[in-house]
Amino acid sequence: SQQGEEDPQALSIQEGENATMNCSYKTSINNLQWYRQNSGRGLVHLILIRSNEREKHSGRLRVTLDTSKKSSSLLITASRAADTASYFCATGGFVSNFNKFYFGSGTKLNVKP
Amino acid sequence: DAGVTQSPTHLIKTRGQQVTLRCSPKSGHDTVSWYQQALGQGPQFIFQYYEEEERQRGNFPDRFSGHQFPNYSSELNVNALLLGDSALYLCASRRGRATDTQYFGPGTRLTVL
Repeated sequence: SQQGEEDPQALSIQEGENATMNCSYKTSINNLQWYRQNSGRGLVHLILIRSNEREKHSGRLRVTLDTSKKSSSLLITASRAADTASYFCATGGFVSNFNKFYFGSGTKLNVKP
Repeated sequence: DAGVTQSPTHLIKTRGQQVTLRCSPKSGHDTVSWYQQALGQGPQFIFQYYEEEERQRGNFPDRFSGHQFPNYSSELNVNALLLGDSALYLCASRRGRATDTQYFGPGTRLTVL
């Protein structure tokens, strides 16, 4: 079964607005990553946050991590139509000295021009 | 520098047949993971290869098998195809077994009729 669960499942906003997606997970993690997927193609890595970090920024992206609540959020500021995609969180943890990743079911973001 | 490549792009098979999907990792990467993504779902981990050996496996039956070659490229084989095997199959590569960030290929869309 998958580790992470994203919320909401779908989000529709106007261009220029901010988009916030949440991810909850069940067990301890080493890191948490966010990916974007356009039209059912390959995933693009957006940002990684380690378990000892609380917040990270990359351009218009801001990620927070609360390990006590086992949750993370991804904020996309000043959204653009090109941000329309599915967004997935993936939790990473070491199993037998190998980094293993579990994906959530994703949030489908639609940014209307 | 080529990223992760996968072949073929699309594939149509009938129930009971066998299929082989191929993946070439990003240059310098030695660890390859395979994922299955059903429509509307997040990627599910199938297995991971490092030094030509399967190191970790997700909750998939033995019908799913793989191989990694000395040049680090990899194959995913699925025997006795079922309708439920229809999905996007994603390959991801990274440098080293403990590295956090992995890079995805564009995927192979398998349809089982």
